[in-house]
Amino acid sequence: AQSVTQLDSHVSVSEGTPVLLRCNYSSSYSPSLFWYVQHPNKGLQLLLKYTSAATLVKGINGFEAEFKKSETSFHLTKPSAHMSDAAEYFCVVSEAKLVFGAGTILRVKS
Amino acid sequence: EAGVAQSPRYKIIEKRQSVAFWCNPISGHATLYWYQQILGQGPKLLIQFQNNGVVDDSQLPKDRFSAERLKGVDSTLKIQPAKLEDSAVYLCASSLFEGTGELFFGEGSRLTVL
Repeated sequence: AQSVTQLDSHVSVSEGTPVLLRCNYSSSYSPSLFWYVQHPNKGLQLLLKYTSAATLVKGINGFEAEFKKSETSFHLTKPSAHMSDAAEYFCVVSEAKLVFGAGTILRVKS
Repeated sequence: EAGVAQSPRYKIIEKRQSVAFWCNPISGHATLYWYQQILGQGPKLLIQFQNNGVVDDSQLPKDRFSAERLKGVDSTLKIQPAKLEDSAVYLCASSLFEGTGELFFGEGSRLTVL
């Protein structure tokens, strides 16, 4: 059965410093993987997706994620955090249907 | 392009009462989803429609939850009778194609059961 574990429930960074949000997945097959972002009082929005093409995936707003099959990881990174990046981020794995992680709340300090 | 519309945004009821949530997906999106998001958890799929047919309702508590999508456009999710553990945000999403994982979400309907 597919599952996803987000290793940090909260991450705090200073504006202008790198962001790393960690995600490990479990899947019987070659999964599709996604990151979604949820800003306060807004709907979830797709950041990026991996579907067995390039292992380094670029998304919106400068985010990217690297698929590492040997480590069963799909960590989300951004070189320089902006105040507007403060939100909750969900890692998602999909075989037949989407399974969401519990979420990581990103706080960006000025 | 108009997004996914949901109403009401907030609802407070007492246990054993009933409640209904409405969703209007993006125009042309054949697939519609209802998710339940309990505080501190990720969204969990309740039901998926393809046009007006049910694709997956395996995690829908059918003794109290029901959903319909008449005419393959908007959808209603009903809870009757509500329990305390139903307090959550109910998210509606739609997608143009099934199986892509590219969902468009509404802002959600927050339910508090007292």
